[in-house]
Amino acid sequence: SQTIHQWPATLVQPVGSPLSLECTVEGTSNPNLYWYRQAAGRGLQLLFYSVGIGQISSEVPQNLSASRPQDRQFILSSKKLLLSDSGFYLCAWSEIYGYTFGSGTRLTVV
Amino acid sequence: GQQLNQSPQSMFIQEGEDVSMNCTSSSIFNTWLWYKQDPGEGPVLLIALYKAGELTSNGRLTAQFGITRKDSFLNISASIPSDVGIYFCAGLLTGTASKLTFGTGTRLQVTL
Repeated sequence: SQTIHQWPATLVQPVGSPLSLECTVEGTSNPNLYWYRQAAGRGLQLLFYSVGIGQISSEVPQNLSASRPQDRQFILSSKKLLLSDSGFYLCAWSEIYGYTFGSGTRLTVV
Repeated sequence: GQQLNQSPQSMFIQEGEDVSMNCTSSSIFNTWLWYKQDPGEGPVLLIALYKAGELTSNGRLTAQFGITRKDSFLNISASIPSDVGIYFCAGLLTGTASKLTFGTGTRLQVTL
């Protein structure tokens, strides 16, 4: 069966520090992969999506970047975090019956 | 980015009551999805709708895909305390990337 792993679950980082969040999918090949961000009490905003290795599309201008070095690996990064980068980050992959989300990473930038 | 209009924003109901929430869009979608999110967790898919007019049930949940393809509703019958959470609608226009557009969410709280 297909599973999606996302880590870490929580992260507290100082302003100006780098960021790397990792997401991996098992049990499928060539999935569409997505990074979403959810501000407190808000809906989900699509940040990046990828339809294949090395193919990244950005939905909104921001301080973050994404990479897909392997078919089932999706990484969200930043060189220097801002306070406004705080939020709940969700990785997802799409399949015929909808999206499946990871368990999320709560990032607090202090 | 675009978000779907979802209402109500929040609701307090008593255990055993029925709940109804809906989602509207200015754009058409060819798939509507309903998710539930518990605190600190990722959203979990409840119901998926693939055809205009489709009415689908999953236990105490019933959802419909509007005829115009611009709206959907979710009903929960005989609510129980574990129904507490945030419910999101999402529209999907399938294509190369199959990007989901999410509603703003309905926060449901159930009192005994």
